[in-house]
Amino acid sequence: AQRVTQPEKLLSVFKGAPVELKCNYSYSGSPELFWYVQYSRQRLQLLLRHISRESIKGFTADLNKGETSFHLKKPFAQEEDSAMYYCALGNRDDKIIFGKGTRLHILP
Amino acid sequence: KAGVTQTPRYLIKTRGQQVTLSCSPISGHRSVSWYQQTPGQGLQFLFEYFSETQRNKGNFPGRFSGRQFSNSRSEMNVSTLELGDSALYLCASSAMGGTEAFFGQGTRLTVV
Repeated sequence: AQRVTQPEKLLSVFKGAPVELKCNYSYSGSPELFWYVQYSRQRLQLLLRHISRESIKGFTADLNKGETSFHLKKPFAQEEDSAMYYCALGNRDDKIIFGKGTRLHILP
Repeated sequence: KAGVTQTPRYLIKTRGQQVTLSCSPISGHRSVSWYQQTPGQGLQFLFEYFSETQRNKGNFPGRFSGRQFSNSRSEMNVSTLELGDSALYLCASSAMGGTEAFFGQGTRLTVV
């Protein structure tokens, strides 16, 4: 069964400190992994996807198939990073399954 | 390109009533998915439609139903509303089912 697990509901990090939002998944095929972000009063939007292998707003995420993880990382947190982050798993012609989300709170 | 549009933005209904929510996807997108977002449960998948057919369904009771029209617009219906149905209902469209999804602003449903 498809499943996405985000173990932390809330993560508080000081500005300038490194950030790591954890995501583990279970899927028997070849999934597409995404990170979505929802800033206050804004719509949910795609932050990055594993096939792009790009850095968006300083965030990166590496797919580790051995550990079935797709953790989101940023070396230096900024206050504007405070938001709700969702890890998601999808496959072509199938639905996208989201984790329960992690609220990232950047402390000044 | 216009984004995903959901109407109405806010709804207040009483228990036992029914409600219909509407979603207009991005032009050219044939897949429309619906999610329920609550603080405790996060984003829960309701169902996905592709070319007017329901392809995937989440674990929600039969009170929750949907449909998709030939122009890809989709509606979601909830009958016999319960207090626990209060949530933000999000619609997302994508070119295919499991690829990048574009979300609407959501419809905030409050059941009193």
